[in-house]
This record gives sequence, C-alpha cells and structure tokens, in this order.
Amino acid sequence: ILMTQSPATLSVSPGERATLSCRASEDIRSDLAWYQQKPGQAPRLIMYDASTRATGVPDRFSGSGSGTDFTLTISSLQPEDFALYYCQQYSKWLLYSFGQGTKLEIK
Amino acid sequence: EVQLVESGGNVVNPGGSLRLSCAASGFNLDDISMNWVRQAPGEGLEWLASISSSSNFIYYSDSIKGRFTISRDTADNSLVLQMTNLRADDSAVYYCAGGLQVHAFDIWGQGTVVTVSS
Repeated sequence: ILMTQSPATLSVSPGERATLSCRASEDIRSDLAWYQQKPGQAPRLIMYDASTRATGVPDRFSGSGSGTDFTLTISSLQPEDFALYYCQQYSKWLLYSFGQGTKLEIK
Repeated sequence: EVQLVESGGNVVNPGGSLRLSCAASGFNLDDISMNWVRQAPGEGLEWLASISSSSNFIYYSDSIKGRFTISRDTADNSLVLQMTNLRADDSAVYYCAGGLQVHAFDIWGQGTVVTVSS
C-alpha cells in the first residue's frame, strides 16, 4: 500500500494551527499511525488507529480520517512540535508502509 | 524499564555481510510481532521486514528480499537481521520496532548505523 503525505514541508508560526495530510492508495480503514521524529532521535508514536493519541501526547494533537484520507492537526504549535512527521499504515498485517514524511518548520 | 537496544552496525564493504541485533529488556520479545525499519541519510522511514510472535509469518520489502533475513534469538530475548550482499544504498540507520500495547509501533530502539563503502 502506497502512502502519500502532503505537503513535503509545512511552514507555520508558533501558536498557529498545522494540518498534515496522508493518503493511502487503498482503503486501510482506520489502521493508521502518526510518528514524530526529531533530529538524531528514533521516531515516536503520537497517534494510532487514526485518532487515538498515544500515551503522554498532549491534546493539541488530533487525528482524523478513515478509508484513504487522513489528517493530523496540531492546534497551537509549540516550539517542541517542529519536527518530521510520518504516517504509517498497518492495515495489512506484517506488510507495513510509511509515507515519505512532512517536515514541520518554523515560519 | 521496557526498552529495545540495537547493536551490530558497522562500516562494511559492498558485497559484505553484517548481523544486527535488537535486545529487549523489561518484556518478552516473543510475545509480540517485531519489525526492522531503516532510514537512509536525509531520507524517510522505510519498512524492511516483519516477523510474527510465533515466527510462523515473515515478510520482507522488495528492496531487501533474498538478501536480508529476520529471525528471533529466543534465548537472548532478541531480534536479528542478517544482511548479505550489501550495497551502498543499504547505508542507513537501522531501527527495530514493535507494537507492545497497540498495533502500531509503540516501542523503538535507538538505532544502529550501517555504512556500506569501500
């Protein structure tokens, strides 16, 4: 399953809202995760089942969508939120795939 | 503490082999399916291979099929990635990851660096 993220780079000012998109090449129900990655660090799970926040993730992060189109929204950007974000489908058991990533940068 | 720690990364010549390990602590690795993911310099995440908890089901991405082998070392509570016929484009940070409490990857190692160069 091909996962396509947009945009590749998103420039947003602190305090503003960021909206990241992810599209699957076929129906993946709600079997979608979002990961945050900062330089030199391993990815961190922030959202799973499309809209469930992982443990410890602040509620300014929200996820939505099902089927083929998904969105990660960060309601009021904090300095620590500027990072790379990847979506991943796990609809096909043990045959996973990631999107190419969105870089969220400070405007 | 629940954690994964990779080891085995190194500099290797093209055509060479390398064995990566992912040691688990704080939980039994055999209880969950496990995965290898890599990230080439400046690139995104690439899923490579998965193994079910029973080891009965194993899948690979096309980019490594026939060259890499995922397996478990139950005695050591670890995951292994045996890599052969390495190419320059295999240079990357290699992560092991698994779903401890959810179906997504909620636990990751810190990564180990593989560089394929003469």
